[in-house]
Amino acid sequence: DVKVTQSSRYLVKRTGEKVFLECVQDMDHENMFWYRQDPGLGLRLIYFSYDVKMKEKGDIPEGYSVSREKKERFSLILESASTNQTSMYLCASSSPGASNYGYTFGSGTRLTVV
Amino acid sequence: AQKVTQAQTEISVVEKEDVTLDCVYETRDTTYYLFWYKQPPSGELVFLIRRNSFDEQNEISGRYSWNFQKSTSSFNFTITASQVVDSAVYFCALRANFGNEKLTFGTGTRLTIIP
Repeated sequence: DVKVTQSSRYLVKRTGEKVFLECVQDMDHENMFWYRQDPGLGLRLIYFSYDVKMKEKGDIPEGYSVSREKKERFSLILESASTNQTSMYLCASSSPGASNYGYTFGSGTRLTVV
Repeated sequence: AQKVTQAQTEISVVEKEDVTLDCVYETRDTTYYLFWYKQPPSGELVFLIRRNSFDEQNEISGRYSWNFQKSTSSFNFTITASQVVDSAVYFCALRANFGNEKLTFGTGTRLTIIP
């Protein structure tokens, strides 16, 4: 069964800390994505990557960066965590072209910044 | 720019009732894909369906059915004879066709089925 695995289900971090959220997929997908989900706002795209070492900004990249050194792993980095980054973070992967099944999502990481 | 609107924030129905979740989209692309996802309390988004913009045939899968109307830019989702297990947040999403795998999501509809 194909999977996208996010390393942590729940995280609590302090304001100003550097935070790493890890995501690994086992489907050999080229594309990987980071979304954040907030009540009333749905899912908003932070960053995505079409290939190793490639990245593109999504709709809300401020305060975040990403790293993709290997095809299967896509990391989201909060350079200096702030309370307004408290949210649910969802990682996803997909294959190029017309994929019949859209994205495959991880279970999410609920991050609380205190 | 692309946009997906799910005007219904929350819906509650009694078990066995039918319920329709609305989705209206905006895009300048002539070819695009529409999706529905289910997010149960566990948090993981579960793929339900994908439709191509050039295929307006409605689809039925068990108790689920989808009505795609290009003329009104809508892609509505109906659950027939609802069950408690259908309680979840449902998201509609849109993707352009060419070389762009980004999904634009609506804000979601929280569906509660009352036993």
